[in-house]
Amino acid sequence: GQSLEQPSEVTAVEGAIVQINCTYQTSGFYGLSWYQQHDGGAPTFLSYNALDGLEETGRFSSFLSRSDSYGYLLLQELQMKDSASYFCAVRGTGGGNKLTFGTGTQLKVEL
Amino acid sequence: NAGVTQTPKFRVLKTGQSMTLLCAQDMNHEYMYWYRQDPGMGLRLIHYSVGEGTTAKGEVPDGYNVSRLKKQNFLLGLESAAPSQTSVYFCASSYDTRTGTSGSNSYEQYFGPGTRLTVT
Repeated sequence: GQSLEQPSEVTAVEGAIVQINCTYQTSGFYGLSWYQQHDGGAPTFLSYNALDGLEETGRFSSFLSRSDSYGYLLLQELQMKDSASYFCAVRGTGGGNKLTFGTGTQLKVEL
Repeated sequence: NAGVTQTPKFRVLKTGQSMTLLCAQDMNHEYMYWYRQDPGMGLRLIHYSVGEGTTAKGEVPDGYNVSRLKKQNFLLGLESAAPSQTSVYFCASSYDTRTGTSGSNSYEQYFGPGTRLTVT
């Protein structure tokens, strides 16, 4: 099976940079995804890392170290609209493109 | 494109009642999923399907059944609802990642807006 750990809450100020960490234990691993979810909304895809290193998409970047079973999501130039929950998710080797989600990190962006 | 749609958006059931949640997608995706989300527990996979006519159990399948008679639809049934099934239910779909992919977005799961179910 899989288990993931991420901080439950993070607070940062508008314009700052914040990093949300995710560590995982898994019996089979293809890659690590990140999803954003606003209150009352549906999860939306942010990024997917299959290989070690940094993937950059605009203000958001995601990093993976397979040897350390660790990844992080980096959000730059924080905006109030970035206040949301962020989930890391392991794509396992069991087929079906299945994901196992972490419990989520609630990010609060303050003025 | 409507993407992934779910019916109904809200429902209140009494213990022992049955209901079916409908998920529809118009992206011609092979894979479909049902998740439940409870406070502080993230999303947990209930059942999934890798194609029309196929279903498989996820992490928390007990008390639920599913059917995928048409490629675009995935139904989740509760035969005898229990208060422990009070949750928000999300449906999702994705491409068949076995057929070759181009870019990390190929692994994206597209989520519907959710169904908020309360069982009293």
